[in-house]
Amino acid sequence: DAKTTQPNSMESNEEEPVHLPCNHSTISGTDYIHWYRQLPSQGPEYVIHGLTSNVNNRMASLAIAEDRKSSTLILHRATLRDAAVYYCILRDAGNMLTFGGGTRLMVKP
Amino acid sequence: DTGVSQDPRHKITKRGQNVTFRCDPISEHNRLYWYRQTLGQGPEFLTYFQNEAQLEKSRLLSDRFSAERPKGSFSTLEIQRTEQGDSAMYLCASSRYPGELFFGEGSRLTVL
Repeated sequence: DAKTTQPNSMESNEEEPVHLPCNHSTISGTDYIHWYRQLPSQGPEYVIHGLTSNVNNRMASLAIAEDRKSSTLILHRATLRDAAVYYCILRDAGNMLTFGGGTRLMVKP
Repeated sequence: DTGVSQDPRHKITKRGQNVTFRCDPISEHNRLYWYRQTLGQGPEFLTYFQNEAQLEKSRLLSDRFSAERPKGSFSTLEIQRTEQGDSAMYLCASSRYPGELFFGEGSRLTVL
């Protein structure tokens, strides 16, 4: 599986935008970029995914670099409920997701 | 509630005992996954079913672990002769589309 690199932790202020980076320099042309988050004491939750183009949904936006070697998950307005571990995952044509260590996001009131 | 359901939520057992976890996926999802998560780590993939067929098994899954999905609906994960190193959260997920997994809240195992 292609690997991703994320910062161990980040801090944000409530009601401000958050940009969570992910590097994936060995991504192949058919790898999808998935983001999940895990709130305390819960299972992971799907956030968003994309292949080449930027994607938006009700939870977040995904900005993918033109060379696809990095991507950024954007939370437009962080709330205290967004405090979680965010995982950036590459998926090939198969069905399995391989989670790394993720980024622990702390949101300050 | 139509989410993924796991039972039991917590299990404490003595070393050497067998334990079984059950997962009820979202009804229209044909893909089912088991993951294991220890404190401070991301989830580790254990096994994957498409309908009743077990298509992938991680090398992490020793011969003490067995998973079934007999009719393509619910699944069970059994651990025989538990060891202290088996203490973890066991997560089940289901999906209709590749990569869009819906996870349950997990079954926490403590082996004394």
